[in-house]
Amino acid sequence: EVQLVQSGAEVKKPGESLKISCKGSGYSFTSYWIGWVRQMPGKGLEWMGIIYPGDSDTRYSPSFQGQVTISADKSISTAYLQWSSLKASDTAMYYCARKKSGYVYNWFDPWGQGTLVTVSS
Amino acid sequence: SYELTQPPSVSVSPGQTARITCSGDALPKQYAYWYQQKPGQAPVLVIYKDSERPSGIPERFSGSSSGTTVTLTISGVQAEDEADYYCQSADSSGTLYVFGTGTKVTVL
Repeated sequence: EVQLVQSGAEVKKPGESLKISCKGSGYSFTSYWIGWVRQMPGKGLEWMGIIYPGDSDTRYSPSFQGQVTISADKSISTAYLQWSSLKASDTAMYYCARKKSGYVYNWFDPWGQGTLVTVSS
Repeated sequence: SYELTQPPSVSVSPGQTARITCSGDALPKQYAYWYQQKPGQAPVLVIYKDSERPSGIPERFSGSSSGTTVTLTISGVQAEDEADYYCQSADSSGTLYVFGTGTKVTVL
């Protein structure tokens, strides 16, 4: 069974750093992209960026470029989303999701269970 | 930046048909995908490549495309279909992705 399992909920203070994870299993981790999606409280889905663990090719939404860093460690089938200095506005649920490699395969399936990040002083 | 526009809400009685539209300039060149999200749950893919249905998704879910608008149709709506629905596509270059604004489907 293909699964993406994300790290647990985090409570942080403004200015702190954070790295959350997404571990893939049941498929060849290096042959699929992993995307990250933000959902702020009561709001819609926002695509943040995507990484191909096979060669670490990474793309960011213009809205998130410079605000977060996406990385992956293919040796442990895990992708990461990190912040160097959190803001209260980073409070949200963050999802990872898998995308098949190839121009026509632009959908995300399956999704991880989500990681809730709360930033509050 | 590229945007996909959906109506905020759609209300439908059980057994009737719900139609949710999604508009975007690059949709004639890029496929659209649809996700269902129930409260407290992660999104689930219900339609890919405009009109294809993943295994396990009921036949009452269908998709279509016409020009700059794609449509998700739920025929014979059931109470369990009450959820938020999001379209998703790629920009004209195919390298950046975007979600629609989301539509809340209420079953009366």
